[in-house]
Order: sequence, then structure tokens, then C-alpha cells
Amino acid sequence: EDQVTQSPEALRLQEGESSSLNCSYTVSGLRGLFWYRQDPGKGPEFLFTLYSAGEEKEKERLKATLTKKESFLHITAPKPEDSATYLCAVRVISSGSARQLTFGSGTQLTVLP
Amino acid sequence: DTEVTQTPKHLVMGMTNKKSLKCEQHMGHRAMYWYKQKAKKPPELMFVYSYEKLSINESVPSRFSPECPNSSLLNLHLHALQPEDSALYLCASSQAGQGFSYEQYFGPGTRLTVT
Repeated sequence: EDQVTQSPEALRLQEGESSSLNCSYTVSGLRGLFWYRQDPGKGPEFLFTLYSAGEEKEKERLKATLTKKESFLHITAPKPEDSATYLCAVRVISSGSARQLTFGSGTQLTVLP
Repeated sequence: DTEVTQTPKHLVMGMTNKKSLKCEQHMGHRAMYWYKQKAKKPPELMFVYSYEKLSINESVPSRFSPECPNSSLLNLHLHALQPEDSALYLCASSQAGQGFSYEQYFGPGTRLTVT
């Protein structure tokens, strides 16, 4: 069974204190790993797609990396506006067909001023 | 433009009411999705439409009825809901195709309360 586990569940940082969020997965036939940001009461906002181990993508203070077993979302010098829940999701190939997204349970990030 | 719009933003309905949620995208995407999200939980897939045809129904109760009138629109018809159906309902869209993984773009959601 495909599993996606995010850690920590919650993270409190001081403004400017860099850190990383983890998304570990046990799936076969990975077809893509996605990172989303979700603000309370709103829909998830797409951040990154990673397809293969070693791939990295950056956007402002965020950098996503991928290995064969996990992905990290690095946040450099975070600001209070980075506070949100960060979700990762994977899509796998099974029996030749792409299956739907499997989401992790998210990391709730709070950045204090 | 990566915008998916949803109406209404909020909906309160009684258990005997019939209502509909609407979703629209103009990105040329041919796959559209309905998700249900409870507080502090990840989105839970309900339905997938691919090229305007229902391709996945995740064993959703029949009181939820999806409809895809055209490639830009997606509706979710609600009837005889239960209080436990109260949740944030999210619509998403993406490019379609079995062999590829395309990112899904989500709408802002409809906050549904069943009384």
C-alpha cells in the first residue's frame, strides 16, 4: 500500500530561522511528487513538482528536493507570511495506469515575528 | 492564468435541501476533480472527470451527484445530506493523460455546513 508521511506535524519557527519539512514515501512506480501550500479555509496552492531523485526546484524562500525515499521542503529565512500548512502528494503508476494523488497529512508551519 | 473558481464560497443547507456547487476553469484542462476536506485532514478524492466523462468515483454516497456539462465546468449536486457531510469541498483541474503526472490546480473551495 502506498504511504506518504510528513514530519513534523507542526513546526514553530522564529522569523529568519531556516528549517526543513520532510515528506517520506513508500510507493512503487513514482510518477511525480507535488508540494502544495494551504492557508486556513482556502484551497491548496501548487508550489512544485519533482519527478526524479536528485531533482531540485526553488521559488523565493522555498527549495524542494527529492531522493528515492523522501522529499524535503527547505525554508530559508522564513517570514510570518510563510505560515501555512504544507502538503505533499505523490502520484504512482500501478499496472500501467497512473493512479490518483496520495496526500500526506501535512505540516502546519507557524513563523513568529 | 492558473485560476479555478468555485461558487458559492459558503453554503448552509438543511438535510432535506437540494443544492449545487459549481466549479469553472479556463486553462484548457481536460481533467477535473472534486475533493472533500475535513478540518486538519488532507483532501480526500471524491470524483474524477477525464474528457468530460466520469472516470473515478471513490465510492461516494449517491447523495452526491457530479456533472460535467463541458470541458470548463464541473458541478456537484447535493441532496439529502447528513451533518457529517459538512466540510470544505474543493474542485481541481489538470491536464489529462495516463502516462504523465500533471499538477492539479485547486479552487478556493466551498465551505458547506449541513444543519
